[in-house]
Amino acid sequence: AQSVTQPDIHITVSEGASLELRCNYSYGATPYLFWYVQSPGQGLQLLLKYFSGDTLVQGIKGFEAEFKRSQSSFNLRKPSVHWSDAAEYFCAVGPYATGTASKLTFGTGTRLQVTL
Amino acid sequence: GAVVSQHPSWVICKSGTSVKIECRSLDFQATTMFWYRQFPKQSLMLMATSNEGSKATYEQGVEKDKFLINHASLTLSTLTVTSAHPEDSSFYICSARDSRGFSTGELFFGEGSRLTVL
Repeated sequence: AQSVTQPDIHITVSEGASLELRCNYSYGATPYLFWYVQSPGQGLQLLLKYFSGDTLVQGIKGFEAEFKRSQSSFNLRKPSVHWSDAAEYFCAVGPYATGTASKLTFGTGTRLQVTL
Repeated sequence: GAVVSQHPSWVICKSGTSVKIECRSLDFQATTMFWYRQFPKQSLMLMATSNEGSKATYEQGVEKDKFLINHASLTLSTLTVTSAHPEDSSFYICSARDSRGFSTGELFFGEGSRLTVL
């Protein structure tokens, strides 16, 4: 069974500081990895995704993530956090399967607080 | 990117009544949509997979008679919470995948619908 672990429930960083959100996954095949962001009372917005190729992927809003197969990790990073980045961040894993509407498994989320 | 719209955004109802939530893909067709439930400060829990023209597939522990799902067209899926009770109060989110791009795997999410049962 696939699973996703986000070890940090809550993180607080100062505006302008760097950020790294951790994500570890368990999956028996080639994983398809995602990071989503959710603002309060809103749906989820895709930040970035990885399924093959360069293990460092760039996303929207200045975010990037690095896939490390040996560590089963897909950590999200941002060099300089803005106050508007305060939100809930979810890591998700799914099968890389063509022609099927496959399900995603979400981590428990990390709430990011940004101090001014 | 593709847009998924949910309606209503929030709804308050009395215990025992039924509530219908709509999920529409506005600029693409979706043969499959997913319904999630999210409790405060928790992750998304997949409730069911909605399949156009056929029965929904429910996750273990989800009452299919309680949460009725209808996917009558390629752009619309509905979730009806029947005989709602306060414990059904939650944030319900739908998602869809563009049928033309199965290989990308990306899901597009609606804005969510907050249900409060009094």
